[in-house]
Amino acid sequence: AQSVAQPEDQVNVAEGNPLTVKCTYSVSGNPYLFWYVQYPNRGLQFLLKYITGDNLVKGSYGFEAEFNKSQTSFHLKKPSALVSDSALYFCAVRDMNTGFQKLVFGTGTRLLVSP
Amino acid sequence: DGGITQSPKYLFRKEGQNVTLSCEQNLNHDAMYWYRQDPGQGLRLIYYSQIVNDFQKGDIAEGYSVSREKKESFPLTVTSAQKNPTAFYLCASTGALGGGYTFGSGTRLTVV
Repeated sequence: AQSVAQPEDQVNVAEGNPLTVKCTYSVSGNPYLFWYVQYPNRGLQFLLKYITGDNLVKGSYGFEAEFNKSQTSFHLKKPSALVSDSALYFCAVRDMNTGFQKLVFGTGTRLLVSP
Repeated sequence: DGGITQSPKYLFRKEGQNVTLSCEQNLNHDAMYWYRQDPGQGLRLIYYSQIVNDFQKGDIAEGYSVSREKKESFPLTVTSAQKNPTAFYLCASTGALGGGYTFGSGTRLTVV
């Protein structure tokens, strides 16, 4: 069964520093990978996705993610963090070989950016 | 603007009562989903529907029921059989294959 793991419950970074939120996946077949962000008491907002093509995917709000097939990872990155980036981040995977559009989510990583 | 509307935003229920959470989308998406979110557990799939008049159980369907009579609507009923219903409920939809989900803003259900 497909799954994703987010090994860090929380990531702390100072404003202006680069940030990385980690995600590894396990799926049979070709993965479709997603990152979402959630602000308090809100739904999830789409950041970016990897389907095929370049391993470096650029998304919303200056975020990017690097797909690494050999390490089965899809880490979220941003060169310079903002305090407003503080939120809960979810990685998700969908196995496109199943024909069913179910997303499986990680447990989430809370990002705290300090001024 | 196109999107998903969930209502109400906050809902309080007495033990033993059934409650229905509304989810409406105007994105012309075929597939719709209900997830439950609890702290530290991520999102867990309750039910999903890929077309009108068809729906399937997700990973934690016990104590819940759904209907899909219209493409735009996918209401979720939390029944009295659900042992621990207090949670944040999220509705989502998706259209073309390969696309991501669009989420509603959620309903926070509290049992009092």
